[in-house]
Amino acid sequence: GAGVSQSPRYKVAKRGQDVALRCDPISGHVSLFWYQQALGQGPEFLTYFQNEAQLDKSGLPSDRFFAERPEGSVSTLKIQRTQQEDSAVYLCASSLSARGTYEQYFGPGTRLTVT
Amino acid sequence: RKEVEQDPGPFNVPEGATVAFNCTYSNSASQSFFWYRQDCRKEPKLLMSVYSSGNEDGRFTAQLNRASQYISLLIRDSKLSDSATYLCVVNILNTGGFKTIFGAGTRLFVKA
Repeated sequence: GAGVSQSPRYKVAKRGQDVALRCDPISGHVSLFWYQQALGQGPEFLTYFQNEAQLDKSGLPSDRFFAERPEGSVSTLKIQRTQQEDSAVYLCASSLSARGTYEQYFGPGTRLTVT
Repeated sequence: RKEVEQDPGPFNVPEGATVAFNCTYSNSASQSFFWYRQDCRKEPKLLMSVYSSGNEDGRFTAQLNRASQYISLLIRDSKLSDSATYLCVVNILNTGGFKTIFGAGTRLFVKA
C-alpha cells in the first residue's frame, strides 16, 4: 500500500520567498506530524494534527511558519519570507493512533535550501 | 538541558560485537517510548517500541527504567547492515494530545 508521500522532494528558494510543502499521509491515519531536521541532528517537532485540528503548534519556530490540514487528510506546511536558517529537511509523519502509542510512518522529506 | 539526550557517538564496532546505547529523558509526563533507525539521507523508521517490562526482537533488546528516566537499546551480534543512526523517541502527554521528542541520535558504524 501507499506510504506517506511528500512533495516537492527538493526545493531551492531565494531568501524572502514563500514556500509550501505538501504531505499526503497514509489513508485513515488520524495523527499527522511535521518535523524539521537539520544536518546531524534528530528531527525537531514542529506541529501536530489530530484529524483537522491542530492540537500542538508549540514547535513552530516563528510566525512565518504555518501549517494546515483542512479536511483531515493532506497537510501543507507554509513558510513565509524564507530565511537561510530555514534550510533543513522537513519531514511529515502519520500515525493511526491519536494517543501516541503507535508507530509513526515518515515520508521521504522535503529538502529545503534557502539561498 | 534537552528533553531527550543521547550520546552522539560515533560507535565503531567490529562485526559480531555487542553494543549498547542509552538515552535519558527529563519530562515525567513521558508516556511512550521508541527506538527509530535512520539511514543516511533517509527517513526514520521504527526499530522497536520500548515497554516497561523490557522487550526483545531478535538481536535487539530494549529496556525502560521509569524511575531513572532512561531507555536503553542493546544490539547483539552486530551486522554491517546495522550501521545507521539510532534515534531515541519519547511521546509526552499534554492537554492537547501529545508531543513527540526525538533525541539527536547515536551513530553506529559496524566494520568488517
